[in-house]
Amino acid sequence: EVQLVESGGGLIQPGGSLRLSCAASGFTVSSTFMTWVRQAPGKGLEWVSVIYTGGSTYYADSVQGRFTISRDNSKNTLYLDMSALTAEDTAVYYCARGSDEGDFDYWGQGTLVTVSS
Amino acid sequence: EIVMTQSPATLSVSPGERVTLSCRASQTVYSNLAWYQHKPGQAPRLLIYGASTRATGIPARFSGSGSGTEFTLTISSLQSEDFAIYYCQQNHKWPRYTFGQGTKLEIK
Repeated sequence: EVQLVESGGGLIQPGGSLRLSCAASGFTVSSTFMTWVRQAPGKGLEWVSVIYTGGSTYYADSVQGRFTISRDNSKNTLYLDMSALTAEDTAVYYCARGSDEGDFDYWGQGTLVTVSS
Repeated sequence: EIVMTQSPATLSVSPGERVTLSCRASQTVYSNLAWYQHKPGQAPRLLIYGASTRATGIPARFSGSGSGTEFTLTISSLQSEDFAIYYCQQNHKWPRYTFGQGTKLEIK
């Protein structure tokens, strides 16, 4: 059974850094593309970042230069390193598995990041 | 960036009704369109991929259609568990995946 479990969220001051983790089971994170999607309070879903099987990474303009996506194949875990956080980064962050058809077929329950002083 | 526009923003419906949700892309995405269901506090769930193919375990009352720039998600007979927010997403112009703003189905 495919499962994704996010962790690492919390309350962080503006300008701070945080690392989110997404532990995967039932498949290997290196076998398909993996992505992060967020949902700010009262808003819709926003794609944040993706890492492809070959290691290529891409980011939404809103986080480019501040966020870094990576994976640890030995731990079967996806990460999102976030820095220079602002209130606009407050959101529930979801990790999701990419399918062969290009959609996101499995999602985690999400982890809440709150940026506030 | 491809902009996805969903309509309506909110739809008040009764259980048992048939509903159609719309999604429009600012440029063609061919059939590279997915629909997701999202309930508060839960993980989003993939319903439809490739514009019209139901994902694993999705009931037959959900159907998707369209290609190019115009897409629809139809729920043939609303069940109580279907009240949620529905998002369309294009995966044609990857890696710039974009979602619509969502349509909320609420109980009339």
